[in-house]
Amino acid sequence: QVQLVESGGGLVKPGGSLRLSCAASGFTFSDSYMSWIRQAPGKGLEWISYIASSGSAIYYADSVKGRFTISRDNAKNSLYLQMNSLRAEDTAVYYCARARYSSSWYFDYWGQGTLVTVSS
Amino acid sequence: DIVMTQSPDSLAVSLGERATINCKSSQSVLYSSNNKNFLGWYQQKPGQPPKLLIYWASTRESGVPDRFSGSGSGTDFTLTISSLQAEDVAVYYCQQYYSIPVTFGQGTRLEIK
Repeated sequence: QVQLVESGGGLVKPGGSLRLSCAASGFTFSDSYMSWIRQAPGKGLEWISYIASSGSAIYYADSVKGRFTISRDNAKNSLYLQMNSLRAEDTAVYYCARARYSSSWYFDYWGQGTLVTVSS
Repeated sequence: DIVMTQSPDSLAVSLGERATINCKSSQSVLYSSNNKNFLGWYQQKPGQPPKLLIYWASTRESGVPDRFSGSGSGTDFTLTISSLQAEDVAVYYCQQYYSIPVTFGQGTRLEIK
């Protein structure tokens, strides 16, 4: 069955860095278009980044542009999010999710999420 | 960015009754070349990730019960649960994927009356 398993979350100080990973199984990861979506505690959903199946196209929300970097390793069926210069407002559960098509980013598979807490 | 506004913020409905959630986009999400509305609906239960219910505004995802239906076009959309079940207690989100950044509504919390 389809699985997306995020890891790498935790407590980090403002200005610090963290790298999230998402391990995929049960579908053809190398053909899939992937995103990171976050949810602050008690709040709604915020899309933050997208990467095409080959890595040829990458997009970021303005809120993370220049601080976060999305990447993937299709040989390892893995998606990553490098987060630098973290701020308190980055505190959230981070989900990896699959967009069904490159031209239609509705998200049909989601991981369980990993919590990132930015606090001194 | 396209702003998605849901109403109401919360809703209490009796078991077996109809629940209706509205979603309005700040600009049309209807793509004229294929006449499709780039609008999806998700259900999120406590402690779980969101689950895709509806895409293209009215196409039900595989495995989603047929009591869930989506309607609307352009800027105004509705998610309807025809006969509320206890397991439908959740927060519901609409999402536009017409343009980048994709954006979500603020969510509607659905409870049992």
